[in-house]
Amino acid sequence: EPEVTQTPSHQVTQMGQEVILRCVPISNHLYFYWYRQILGQKVEFLVSFYNNEISEKSEIFDDQFSVERPDGSNFTLKIRSTKLEDSAMYFCASSPPDPISYNEQFFGPGTRLTVL
Amino acid sequence: AQKITQTQPGMFVQEKEAVTLDCTYDTSDQSYGLFWYKQPSSGEMIFLIYQGSYDEQNATEGRYSLNFQKARKSANLVISASQLGDSAMYFCAINNAGNMLTFGGGTRLMVKP
Repeated sequence: EPEVTQTPSHQVTQMGQEVILRCVPISNHLYFYWYRQILGQKVEFLVSFYNNEISEKSEIFDDQFSVERPDGSNFTLKIRSTKLEDSAMYFCASSPPDPISYNEQFFGPGTRLTVL
Repeated sequence: AQKITQTQPGMFVQEKEAVTLDCTYDTSDQSYGLFWYKQPSSGEMIFLIYQGSYDEQNATEGRYSLNFQKARKSANLVISASQLGDSAMYFCAINNAGNMLTFGGGTRLMVKP
C-alpha cells in the first residue's frame, strides 16, 4: 500500500541553524501539507501546497519557514534559523486528486526535530 | 475560524467493550469534513474515519463508527469490541474549504485487559 515517507526520522540541530525536512508524498497525490506537534500538544497546521504554490498557511508559518517541491517526488520544509520553540514532531501529509475523496489526508511517520 | 473540542483527556475501557470518544466542533462553513486519527505511542498519525457534513448516514469503518449529530455539532467516535492495540491518543479534526485540518486536544484511550 502506498504511503507517505519522511526523512530523517529524528533531527538534532543547534539554535540558529537551518534545517530541511524531507517528505515523499504518495505518487498520484496533488495536495501536500505540513503540520507540527509540540510534545504533549495537539497537531497544528502549518501550510498547504498545490500546483507548485502555497494555497494556505497558518500564523505559525512565518518568514523563517518555506516549502518547496524541487522535483516530481519530494516536498520539503525548510526552517532558516531554528529556535528552541521549533522543537516538535513535523508531519507531512498528502491528499489524492479525486474531488470526492480529496479530503482524506494521509500522514507520514513524522520527523522529530530537536533544537538545542 | 474552526474549533474542535475533546473534553475527555483520558479514558479507560475494558477489553472487548465498546467506548465512545467525544468530539464537538464549531465552524461557520456549510461544507466541511470531520476526521478521526489515531496516534499510537510510536507517534504516527493513522487515519480512521471520515464524515462529510452532507452525508446523511453515519460513517463506519470496521470497528469504528462516527456518531454524527449535525444539529448538536458533535462527531463522536465509537470503537466497538476494544482491543489492547486500541490504546493510543485519538484526535478529532475538521477541515475547511482549503482542506486545512484543525485538530482537537486529543483523548488518551487505555484498554484494560
